[in-house]
Amino acid sequence: DQQVKQNSPSLSVQEGRISILNCDYTNSMFDYFLWYKKYPAEGPTFLISISSIKDKNEDGRFTVFLNKSAKHLSLHIVPSQPGDSAVYFCAASAGAQGGSEKLVFGKGTKLTVNP
Amino acid sequence: KAGVTQTPRYLIKTRGQQVTLSCSPISGHRSVSWYQQTPGQGLQFLFEYFSETQRNKGNFPGRFSGRQFSNSRSEMNVSTLELGDSALYLCASSLAGGVYEQYFGPGTRLTVT
Repeated sequence: DQQVKQNSPSLSVQEGRISILNCDYTNSMFDYFLWYKKYPAEGPTFLISISSIKDKNEDGRFTVFLNKSAKHLSLHIVPSQPGDSAVYFCAASAGAQGGSEKLVFGKGTKLTVNP
Repeated sequence: KAGVTQTPRYLIKTRGQQVTLSCSPISGHRSVSWYQQTPGQGLQFLFEYFSETQRNKGNFPGRFSGRQFSNSRSEMNVSTLELGDSALYLCASSLAGGVYEQYFGPGTRLTVT
């Protein structure tokens, strides 16, 4: 059973518009959520995170929203740039002080930003 | 500061063989975690080593094993390779483990034929 789901394998947007990547989770024990970005031939790089005590976290062009009642989070990128084209992974953790074994990843969404 | 390095970057093996992958963490990092990435399953946690001890383990068969040396470098071994072991193997290092600050290497692409 997949605990973290990214239901859109791919997303295409125009440069300058908003990109919205979605992530759903099933485990109500998850209390810390992260987004990673991955370019081809590179490892994932940390992008932004949010704790379950918040419903929004912003970092420059990137904002993550968390809806705990719906077990849903989303990553907004505004404005989108061609360099944002990558695979985005949503990850969740139960017990943020815990070890890596509690980090569960979604399967990723490939974002393409067209010039 | 140098990033996480993984060797080799690409590897082709035959079913039944074994393979050893290497990961050098960022200097000063004591935790190394390994992940398997496949198109069907995404990123899955294999195990974490901290100060030469396996601290956590994911849901993988015993054919997958690892170790960590006193300099924090880590190796991952897969014995009796199966076609389904073809994947990108990523390692990530962090200062003390946990989910906050993991830095990933570029991965080793393993192909089993």
